[in-house]
Amino acid sequence: QVQLQESGPGLVKPSQTLSLTCTVSGGSISSGGYYWSWIRQHPGKGLEWIGYIYYSGSTYYNPSLKSRVTISVDTSKNQFSLKLSSVTAADTAVYYCATRRTGYYRYWGQGTLVTVSS
Amino acid sequence: DIQMTQSPSTLSASVGDRVTITCRASQSISSWLAWYQQKPGKAPKLLIYKASSLESGVPSRFSGSGSGTEFTLTISSLQPDDFATYYCQQYNSVWTFGQGTKVEIK
Repeated sequence: QVQLQESGPGLVKPSQTLSLTCTVSGGSISSGGYYWSWIRQHPGKGLEWIGYIYYSGSTYYNPSLKSRVTISVDTSKNQFSLKLSSVTAADTAVYYCATRRTGYYRYWGQGTLVTVSS
Repeated sequence: DIQMTQSPSTLSASVGDRVTITCRASQSISSWLAWYQQKPGKAPKLLIYKASSLESGVPSRFSGSGSGTEFTLTISSLQPDDFATYYCQQYNSVWTFGQGTKVEIK
């Protein structure tokens, strides 16, 4: 079954760009059929969908974050990545990578906490 | 955006209790609704999809119902492993989650 693992810095300075990578195992991104997504959870709060990418490179972002988000895919490494620019303390959250075939998320990474602080 | 509102926010219950959590959508989402269970420090776990379809491996004490704008997750007999936070998620338009319902020990 598909397994996902997030990686990246746990601390980012305000105004800088948050960068995370999700490594996929147990399945190939390039085989198609799955939408590779990022979801975040602010401390003690609910879940917020950030966006997704398909293996072809097509993307769709949450309109509330669209101006700051870029999701990319590297099929040769079986990875996909998140970049969130101009971060503030409000972007402090646990970031999950997850994947779906239809609309619901069956497979999730363990999550990684990113703190925005100087 | 479609807003998802769960009630209650917190629920105190005992082992063996029947528990019901409600999720309301701000507009009709047909049956495009999923339920997740989340424990502290862990990723959400899919329980129910398409409003009432039980995910493989999930105990049958969990069930979902509803369509349109009102949905429920029912745990028929609460077990010690079920104390957690539960989220609904709609996938009719973009993807939004409810704010969560924490099921705690009474």
